[in-house]
Amino acid sequence: QKEVEQNSGPLSVPEGAIASLNCTYSDRVSQSFFWYRQYSGKSPELIMSIYSNGDKEDGRFTAQLNKASQYVSLLIRDSQPSDSATYLCAVNSLNRDDKIIFGKGTRLHILP
Amino acid sequence: EAGVAQSPRYKIIEKRQSVAFWCNPISGHATLYWYQQILGQGPKLLIQFQNNGVVDDSQLPKDRFSAERLKGVDSTLKIQPAKLEDSAVYLCASSLDLLAAGNTGELFFGEGSRLTVL
Repeated sequence: QKEVEQNSGPLSVPEGAIASLNCTYSDRVSQSFFWYRQYSGKSPELIMSIYSNGDKEDGRFTAQLNKASQYVSLLIRDSQPSDSATYLCAVNSLNRDDKIIFGKGTRLHILP
Repeated sequence: EAGVAQSPRYKIIEKRQSVAFWCNPISGHATLYWYQQILGQGPKLLIQFQNNGVVDDSQLPKDRFSAERLKGVDSTLKIQPAKLEDSAVYLCASSLDLLAAGNTGELFFGEGSRLTVL
């Protein structure tokens, strides 16, 4: 059974601090990794994707991937109240017969 | 560019009744997904279409759920008869052909259809 696991939280972080969100996955052949943000009552929206080991930075967001450890993380620098949301980790293998699996999400609360 | 369209946004029904949800994906997107998201949980894939063919429906409760994608564009998800545990948001998403050059694997979601079964 392919699984994507996340701590459900809530994770509370002071405004301006770094928020660190973690995700582990069980399928070793996974090739693509995504972080989606979902505000309450809204649909998920993609904020970061990463395909190779290492770090990928986009503005205040950094995704980190370690395929050997089957671990992907998302760092949010200078956290803002608008970052308060649920963050969903998603994994797929870009194979026509595979599917994109979502974790249960981590609720992040930025404290003003 | 128009996004993924879904309707209805909200639906309240009694258990054992039927309901249907409609989705129109982004133009040119070959792959269409239906996800079920129960409150407090991540999206769970129900069915995945590639054009008008089914790629994966392993988690679709086929005794009560059905889905079709005629002509490889719009899709309909039906539940009959509904159970209390079907209360959830039904998310439709689309993406480029999984094997198309330049496909990043990103899913584009509609606003969802919230179902309440009483």
